[in-house]
Amino acid sequence: IAGITQAPTSQILAAGRRMTLRCTQDMRHNAMYWYRQDLGLGLRLIHYSNTAGTTGKGEVPDGYSVSRANTDDFPLTLASAVPSQTSVYFCASSEGTSGMSTGELFFGEGSRLTVL
Amino acid sequence: GQNIDQPTEMTATEGAIVQINCTYQTSGFNGLFWYQQHAGEAPTFLSYNVLDGLEEKGRFSSFLSRSKGYSYLLLKELQMKDSASYLCAVMDSNYQLIWGAGTKLIIKP
Repeated sequence: IAGITQAPTSQILAAGRRMTLRCTQDMRHNAMYWYRQDLGLGLRLIHYSNTAGTTGKGEVPDGYSVSRANTDDFPLTLASAVPSQTSVYFCASSEGTSGMSTGELFFGEGSRLTVL
Repeated sequence: GQNIDQPTEMTATEGAIVQINCTYQTSGFNGLFWYQQHAGEAPTFLSYNVLDGLEEKGRFSSFLSRSKGYSYLLLKELQMKDSASYLCAVMDSNYQLIWGAGTKLIIKP
């Protein structure tokens, strides 16, 4: 089934630990995104990638890093987790053209991260 | 600054009609999106408006007025499965999506 797969679904993590959230898509979409969603706030963009080999910073990039070695994979890494990074993280993709996508976003099922 | 406003929560009755409003102030405009998000699930695309007017898609319709910075999502013949959050998002001049906090819609029998 075509779509976006995120892993893990949920994770409890001690502060200071390193964590990588995985995201894989099989739709051959050019653009991929990482969002965090917190209660009472809209989705906030962390990092994005318009095409394989390129990445960009979103609204809230501090404490996070990404890579885009190929079209399908877009992992998000927390180098040293802090409690304020407790959130639900969504990976998304779109066909995308230049700049940010002008089309529909397809979301993964989310990764619920708790940092203690 | 850029801002998307939508009501936090709305309640409606099964079988009725509900209108969810969204107002926006953004740097430029390249379209407005509505997404549906059931609790604990991922957002899913509902509609996209870039020109003024009403777009109808089954029980759901979306309206846009660019001059007023205003959109609404209209849900007809409400069903219990329509209980969800509805997210409004605007694409600005840099093609960046600006998201509202979402409207939680509660459907009562």
